[in-house]
Amino acid sequence: KQEVTQIPAALSVPEGENLVLNCSFTDSAIYNLQWFRQDPGKGLTSLLLIQSSQREQTSGRLNASLDKSSGRSTLYIAASQPGDSATYLCVTKWGNYGQNFVFGPGTRLSVLP
Amino acid sequence: NAGVTQTPKFQVLKTGQSMTLQCAQDMNHEYMSWYRQDPGMGLRLIHYSVGAGITDQGEVPNGYNVSRSTTEDFPLRLLSAAPSQTSVYFCASSYSPGPITGELFFGEGSRLTVL
Repeated sequence: KQEVTQIPAALSVPEGENLVLNCSFTDSAIYNLQWFRQDPGKGLTSLLLIQSSQREQTSGRLNASLDKSSGRSTLYIAASQPGDSATYLCVTKWGNYGQNFVFGPGTRLSVLP
Repeated sequence: NAGVTQTPKFQVLKTGQSMTLQCAQDMNHEYMSWYRQDPGMGLRLIHYSVGAGITDQGEVPNGYNVSRSTTEDFPLRLLSAAPSQTSVYFCASSYSPGPITGELFFGEGSRLTVL
């Protein structure tokens, strides 16, 4: 069974800092890994999708890396802004038909002005 | 450019009432699913479907029914609402349920309160 963990559970940083969010998974046989952000009381917005054959993906100030052999993905946020404050979740697509998508519990990020 | 559409966004029920949460997607996705999100519990899978006419249970299926008569729609039915079903419900879809890579798309959520 796939298990996904995210460390830290919460993070508070001053504006302008570069930061890294971590996602770990127990079974490396994933098809892809996706990062989402969720603002309080809102839905999940997709940030980046990394295919199993890829090592990283970039979008603006965001960079996500994937190391299947070690069961890890990191989300790097450059020059953080208060608008980046949200909960960030990673999800792996794994296994056969059915309960494919396994979510991490999320990291709650606060960027202080 | 609708993506995944959920209705209603907010609903208040009394214990014992029934209702249906609607979910529709316009991306011709095979895979559709329902999650509930509770504080401190993360996202938990209720039911999912891998195509029209095919549904199966997820992690927390009790108290919920689903059907999938078309590719586009995947309604979630609460037959007799209980306070424990107070939650935020999310519908999600993806191109393929199997070992083919595909992005997961979410609706905006439906906030349900059962009194």
